[in-house]
Amino acid sequence: NAGVTQTPKFQVLKTGQSMTLQCAQDMNHNSMYWYRQDPGMGLRLIYYSASEGTTDKGEVPNGYNVSRLNKREFSLRLESAAPSQTSVYFCASEARPREQYFGPGTRLTVT
Amino acid sequence: QQQVKQSPQSLIVQKGGISIINCAYENTAFDYFPWYQQFPGKGPALLIAIRPDVSEKKEGRFTISFNKSAKQFSLHIMDSQPGDSATYFCAATPLGGGTSYGKLTFGQGTILTVHP
Repeated sequence: NAGVTQTPKFQVLKTGQSMTLQCAQDMNHNSMYWYRQDPGMGLRLIYYSASEGTTDKGEVPNGYNVSRLNKREFSLRLESAAPSQTSVYFCASEARPREQYFGPGTRLTVT
Repeated sequence: QQQVKQSPQSLIVQKGGISIINCAYENTAFDYFPWYQQFPGKGPALLIAIRPDVSEKKEGRFTISFNKSAKQFSLHIMDSQPGDSATYFCAATPLGGGTSYGKLTFGQGTILTVHP
């Protein structure tokens, strides 16, 4: 089992460009999450999906969209990247109860 | 609004010493408190977790102490080792509420360095 995988590992974008961060899990978990990690801020929830076909906003959703393509895959899209979106992005999936498994992260720099 | 406050921001401990990281929360609906460990370049990994019906939980060298009345909980790492050097995050979430999922609220993180 690969657990939670994320692609790409690193990405540099120019302001205004768009991109999609991919996440997949092979643990048959229902719930999946996208977080961003910034120094001194901990991890902040961007969006989550409680089950296939449902998505909902977290603490910092502005500037992002998500798609729960199927039970395995949950993608995060930046439509028009801004320097404030420079961060490390983590995807997680959840086993019960509340035990979340994180992917290795995507380091995004927006210039 | 930061609902989980973690301290200290960084901590340096000698090998064999005790590392203590503290967290305080505001939301009384929180009733599940996990700690995550993150090594450089990796995603966070669940280390240990506690529910408020117990005051302490121990797993090996790692212990969570929980004070419900003070709304505080802490992680103690006994006999700290250089391999424990990592960033530690506390978190909180409501466990009940009829949902099958939980949104974690994380503390700011503590960078622990254990010197040999």
